[in-house]
Amino acid sequence: ELKVEQNPLFLSMQEGKNYTIYCNYSTTSDRLYWYRQDPGKSLESLFVLLSNGAVKQEGRLMASLDTKARLSTLHITAAVHDLSATYFCAVVYNNNDMRFGAGTRLTVKP
Amino acid sequence: GAVVSQHPSWVICKSGTSVKIECRSLDFQATTMFWYRQFPKQSLMLMATSNEGSKATYEQGVEKDKFLINHASLTLSTLTVTSAHPEDSSFYICSARDFQLTGELFFGEGSRLTVL
Repeated sequence: ELKVEQNPLFLSMQEGKNYTIYCNYSTTSDRLYWYRQDPGKSLESLFVLLSNGAVKQEGRLMASLDTKARLSTLHITAAVHDLSATYFCAVVYNNNDMRFGAGTRLTVKP
Repeated sequence: GAVVSQHPSWVICKSGTSVKIECRSLDFQATTMFWYRQFPKQSLMLMATSNEGSKATYEQGVEKDKFLINHASLTLSTLTVTSAHPEDSSFYICSARDFQLTGELFFGEGSRLTVL
């Protein structure tokens, strides 16, 4: 069964700093998603990564995928308070099944 | 993007009663929908895969008689929590895949259930 490991689980950082969240998975995947969740809300889709070497950027967030290493990263550049949320990676395998990482709770402090 | 709507957004009920949650794909047809459960400060756990016109596929450890899923049409799946108890209190989220276009997964807004 597919296992998805995300780290760190909790992250507190100051505004203006950079950091990377990692997502490792255990078997071949069809595609990988990154989601953001604010407290009490559902998931907001950030990125979908389909192929090895894929890199996508939106504002201060950049996601990449290395299918050989079974690793995806979500890099935060010059963090701002508005980025405070929980971030989940989710891996799709067998074309239909999706498994989520445990989530990374990010707090950005002034 | 495509829209998935969940109803109700939150519900409080007494122990022993049943609660129905609806998940609708508003602008696309979804032959498959997924139901997740999320406890506070935890990740989403897949409960079951809902297939239009056939029985749902439940994940291991999920009681099918407790969580009844009906996918009666291409745009509607319902989750009924039967004889709810306080331990069923959770955030329930549905998702649907738009197979006809991008194949991307879209999530509903979530339904927060509190059982007293």
